[in-house]
Amino acid sequence: SAVISQKPSRDICQRGTSLTIQCQVDSQVTMMFWYRQQPGQSLTLIATANQGSEATYESGFVIDKFPISRPNLTFSTLTVSNMSPEDSSIYLCSVEDPDRAAYNEQFFGPGTRLTVL
Amino acid sequence: DQQVKQNSPSLSVQEGRISILNCDYTNSMFDYFLWYKKYPAEGPTFLISISSIKDKNEDGRFTVFLNKSAKHLSLHIVPSQPGDSAVYFCAASGAFGGATNKLIFGTGTLLAVQP
Repeated sequence: SAVISQKPSRDICQRGTSLTIQCQVDSQVTMMFWYRQQPGQSLTLIATANQGSEATYESGFVIDKFPISRPNLTFSTLTVSNMSPEDSSIYLCSVEDPDRAAYNEQFFGPGTRLTVL
Repeated sequence: DQQVKQNSPSLSVQEGRISILNCDYTNSMFDYFLWYKKYPAEGPTFLISISSIKDKNEDGRFTVFLNKSAKHLSLHIVPSQPGDSAVYFCAASGAFGGATNKLIFGTGTLLAVQP
């Protein structure tokens, strides 16, 4: 299984500012995913990030608000821009299990708990 | 539109008894279903899955049942242990016409196993 780390683990930010979340994987992976879990809600996919190409965003999420970088096969960043209290969530990155990619089984990082005041 | 639903936000069970967590879905195009377990301050961890062409998959104390006609699946944990106390997420996977399979999650059920 892949080991995924995220930084920061938590942060408290002021509205109008931006925060960049880092995701590091201990092995090379083709696809990385970014999710958001708002309080009391399910995990919602924000975007899929492939190395060397632009991220693919889900309905309701746009690049200007959630820019993503994927500079290599082990690393990705998600920026939450111009934050408002509604952005307070847990943000998680995940990768596919390469042995089970056909079934979309994913490994998740520990998450970044963001609170916007 | 919530395509994957877990209608029970919480469940309390005595240690040694069976825990049954339920999940309903609306999209008949889902081809794979997964259960994830989440402890506080950790990311979800994969638990067990089932293909849409099967109706049962078993792995140790965990069994997942799929009823396609009812668009319903359930996770059985027997016997339940205090360490099973966590939030359980049901997820469904499908390509939906794109190149990438996507996971769609339910809202989770908090399981508390009482010693």
